[in-house]
Amino acid sequence: EVQLVQSGAEVKKPGESLKISCKGSGYSFTSYWIGWVRQMPGKGLEWMGIIYPGDSDTRYSPSFQGQVTISADKSISTAYLQWSSLKASDTAMYYCVRFATSSGSFDYWGQGTLVTVSS
Amino acid sequence: EIVLTQSPGTLSLSPGERATLSCRASQSVSSSYLAWYQQKPGQAPRLLIYGASSRATGIPDRFSGSGSGTDFTLTISRLEPEDFAVYYCQQYGSSRFTFGPGTKVDIK
Repeated sequence: EVQLVQSGAEVKKPGESLKISCKGSGYSFTSYWIGWVRQMPGKGLEWMGIIYPGDSDTRYSPSFQGQVTISADKSISTAYLQWSSLKASDTAMYYCVRFATSSGSFDYWGQGTLVTVSS
Repeated sequence: EIVLTQSPGTLSLSPGERATLSCRASQSVSSSYLAWYQQKPGQAPRLLIYGASSRATGIPDRFSGSGSGTDFTLTISRLEPEDFAVYYCQQYGSSRFTFGPGTKVDIK
């Protein structure tokens, strides 16, 4: 069974750094792109970026380029999303997703990680 | 960047009724790369339709997708109580993904 299991909720202060994780199982982790999707409170879905764990090829949405860093450790089948300096506006639910290249869709979703940034 | 517009913003219907949701793109989208997702409160979205018209694994046949070019439609033939949710369309092209703003289907 394909699963994407994300790390738990985080409460941080503005200016702090953060790295959240997404562990894939039940499939060949290095053969599928893993993406990240943001959902701000009460809002829609925004694609942030995507990484191919096989060779760490990474693409970012222009809206998030330079704001976050996406990485992956294929030895432990885990992808990461990190911030060096959080802002209150980073408060959101973050989902990792598996990208099915043949269909152009996100066929599996993690359960989400809620990040709250507040002073 | 391709912008997706969904209409209506909210659709108020009764169980058993037919729901028709629209997704319009600012430029032509490959039908192979148009998908629909359902999101219920407190849950992650789930894939319903990919390739504009193919149902994902385990999706009931009351859900169907159609369309091409810039106009796509998600149809729910007879609404079940569990279908009241928010629905998003999404496109992929040139290594970029965009989502529509969503249509909320609520109980009339």
